[in-house]
Amino acid sequence: GQNIDQPTEMTATEGAIVQINCTYQTSGFNGLFWYQQHAGEAPTFLSYNVLDGLEEKGRFSSFLSRSKGYSYLLLKELQMKDSASYLCAPMDSNYQLIWGAGTKLIIKP
Amino acid sequence: DADVTQTPRNRITKTGKRIMLECSQTKGHDRMYWYRQDPGLGLRLIYYSFDVKDINKGEISDGYSVSRQAQAKFSLSLESAIPNQTALYFCATSVQAYGYTFGSGTRLTVV
Repeated sequence: GQNIDQPTEMTATEGAIVQINCTYQTSGFNGLFWYQQHAGEAPTFLSYNVLDGLEEKGRFSSFLSRSKGYSYLLLKELQMKDSASYLCAPMDSNYQLIWGAGTKLIIKP
Repeated sequence: DADVTQTPRNRITKTGKRIMLECSQTKGHDRMYWYRQDPGLGLRLIYYSFDVKDINKGEISDGYSVSRQAQAKFSLSLESAIPNQTALYFCATSVQAYGYTFGSGTRLTVV
């Protein structure tokens, strides 16, 4: 079957670093996406990994290990505006994204 | 203009009424999707279409129907709305191996 597992909620402090983990099982694999979703708004693209390793984009980095079915999103220098849900979404053999429930990140001053 | 446009943005309707949510895109993508999202839950797939002649049920298609009128247009209908269809609805588009682009969402309330 297809399954995504990520923490339901995390809390971090402004200016700190937080790592959001995701494990997945899919029918085939064509990369893994991370999306950010603010409450009541549409998800927006953050990152894409198709090969093992770390992809860095400004304050956000994403890591993938295909053999372990594991990814993480690393957010540095946290800002209040980073309070949102973060969705881990692997792409299956049919190029469809499989969505988990996401991780709600709460940033405290 | 937005790449993926959903109308209406908000709608309140009564139980038993028929309602249509519309989605249009200017990205030229072949694939289009309808999702619903309930508070605290993830995106659940209602229907998807890989081209104009292709319509597929998702995990929660009961009570919904769709129409792909053109490559750029994909409509979702609730034939007889019920209160547990109150949710946030998203349309999305994609091209094979690329990520999805989402519309701004339609907040539907069934009373």
